[in-house]
Amino acid sequence: QQQVKQSPQSLIVQKGGISIINCAYENTAFDYFPWYQQFPGKGPALLIAIRPDVSEKKEGRFTISFNKSAKQFSLHIMDSQPGDSATYFCASSSGGSYIPTFGRGTSLIVHP
Amino acid sequence: DGGITQSPKYLFRKEGQNVTLSCEQNLNHDAMYWYRQDPGQGLRLIYYSQIVNDFQKGDIAEGYSVSREKKESFPLTVTSAQKNPTAFYLCASSIDLGTTSTDTQYFGPGTRLTVL
Repeated sequence: QQQVKQSPQSLIVQKGGISIINCAYENTAFDYFPWYQQFPGKGPALLIAIRPDVSEKKEGRFTISFNKSAKQFSLHIMDSQPGDSATYFCASSSGGSYIPTFGRGTSLIVHP
Repeated sequence: DGGITQSPKYLFRKEGQNVTLSCEQNLNHDAMYWYRQDPGQGLRLIYYSQIVNDFQKGDIAEGYSVSREKKESFPLTVTSAQKNPTAFYLCASSIDLGTTSTDTQYFGPGTRLTVL
């Protein structure tokens, strides 16, 4: 049973456009919501993360929007660049367990 | 440099063979994890360990075994009982229980295992 649903599975965006990836979770005990970026043949790396006490977090061109009542969070990539082409995973975990639940990933392609 | 290393980068296995994937970390993290990645399947948890000499099965542990004899090392053995082992294997670590930390997972570069 998938506890974190991620969409879309793949996304193609033109350079300079906005990329939006969405995740929905079921477990209300989740209190940490990171996004990981993975380039082909490499391990994922933390991109940005949020906790439910805030509704938005921005780091450069990357923003997480968090809607606690809807149990949804999303990643927005502003001014998307070809170098952003990668697979993005959302994840959720609850305090103390340290066992995250990952979404299935979104393959992002940014055309020049 | 602190980080996680995995070896080998590529591994080929004949059917019926056991193979062991290495994972070492120098981040002083207490918890370590093994994931399997297949196209379109995301990251699936094989085993995890939150303390030396203790480990727990994840979602897809059948056909795999692990050990945690040292804090820094968490090797994964893919046994002949694993019927479809061809995949990309990722090791990760998190949490230094001795300090304030987040739940962030730090991943190694991965090992691509192919069954011949």
